[in-house]
Amino acid sequence: QVQLVESGGGVVQPGRSLRLSCAASGFTFSTYAMHWVRQAPGKGLEWVAFFSYDGSNKYYADSVGGRFTISRDVSKNTLYLQMNSLRAEDTAVYYCARPREVADSWDAFDIWGQGTMVTVSS
Amino acid sequence: DIQMTQSPSSLSASVGDRVTITCQASQDITNYLNWYQQKPGKAPKLLIYDASNLETGVPSRFSGSGSGTDFTFTIRSLQPEDIATYYCQQYDNVPLTFGGGTKVEIK
Repeated sequence: QVQLVESGGGVVQPGRSLRLSCAASGFTFSTYAMHWVRQAPGKGLEWVAFFSYDGSNKYYADSVGGRFTISRDVSKNTLYLQMNSLRAEDTAVYYCARPREVADSWDAFDIWGQGTMVTVSS
Repeated sequence: DIQMTQSPSSLSASVGDRVTITCQASQDITNYLNWYQQKPGKAPKLLIYDASNLETGVPSRFSGSGSGTDFTFTIRSLQPEDIATYYCQQYDNVPLTFGGGTKVEIK
């Protein structure tokens, strides 16, 4: 069964770091681009970052560029989001999401994880 | 960045009613538009992709239309299980952007 499972969320002080993981199963992870999307409490959805299927391209929302890094370990079928210099406004549920089509960079997200909550607070 | 203006932000309708949500892009996105349903505490679920294609397994009472800058999402006959927030999303270019959401409630 195709599945994404996020982990690594928690409570962290402003300025500190956190690394989120997204474990993929049930599909050939290396052939799909992957994305991170977040949702602040009571707010809408915000795209955060993109990792191309072949690892050649990464893109970030302006709100996280220079602070967040997306990466992937194909041997572990796992996507990561390294979050540095965290701010209160980064508080959100973080979802990893997979596009519908193999190799497509931009596409509808047909598979989502359950999300992991990140709270940035002193 | 492409701005997605979704309206209304909330609506209340009766079971069986036809419900329509609109989404306007700040520039031409051809048909690179998706619609998601999100229930409280859950991840979003893809309903419509490429503006008008129904995702596998999604009931046919859901539909989408439009191209260019103006898009419409319709629930033909609202059911109690359709209570959720609905989002449009463009994927013409990064940053990928979502509409602000429409919360659908039962009257």
